[in-house]
Amino acid sequence: GAGVSQSPRYKVAKRGQDVALRCDPISGHVSLFWYQQALGQGPEFLTYFQNEAQLDKSGLPSDRFFAERPEGSVSTLKIQRTQQEDSAVYLCASSLLPGGPSTDTQYFGPGTRLTVL
Amino acid sequence: SQQGEEDPQALSIQEGENATMNCSYKTSINNLQWYRQNSGRGLVHLILIRSNEREKHSGRLRVTLDTSKKSSSLLITASRAADTASYFCATEGLNAGYSTLTFGKGTMLLVSP
Repeated sequence: GAGVSQSPRYKVAKRGQDVALRCDPISGHVSLFWYQQALGQGPEFLTYFQNEAQLDKSGLPSDRFFAERPEGSVSTLKIQRTQQEDSAVYLCASSLLPGGPSTDTQYFGPGTRLTVL
Repeated sequence: SQQGEEDPQALSIQEGENATMNCSYKTSINNLQWYRQNSGRGLVHLILIRSNEREKHSGRLRVTLDTSKKSSSLLITASRAADTASYFCATEGLNAGYSTLTFGKGTMLLVSP
């Protein structure tokens, strides 16, 4: 069956540009997570949605980062005025149940590799 | 910020050998999970061990957890070239009805034929 998909897979942006990264979770999954993974590091939590509600955005690095999931399915992570330190792989994960990893396995997408020049 | 620290950072072994990776963490946890990441399949969940468990097995994987030392180990027995990947431990805290994962920096495992 279809897993979590993300688009684009690769994005090159000039410093100062805005970018939008899309995540299509597995159909019917309630929970959706965004992570940022810098080169040589593990993923770091950015934000969590339960259906359309953004319950936690404590990991967003600055107010240039914004995420939404208006209909409780597809989610978009937007980064305004990109900077070089935003270069990373952005991972999306979904799980069937509310409550996160211990209640249900998180399924990760392939990620979007963002390079800011 | 990273919660876990994997050790070693990189490990190179021959097919058939066992691979052991360690993870240390800092705060109390509900459970600890191990993930594998390679370019072909992305980040994949391997195994979850709860804070009240000491050891868990899944196929060629064996995970231990010592909450008194805040450490875990992942053993892969009879390794195969296909096991080549980065391995991450991830700890789960609990916030008001939902939980999030905090990953370590990972161990890069290379299994040579």
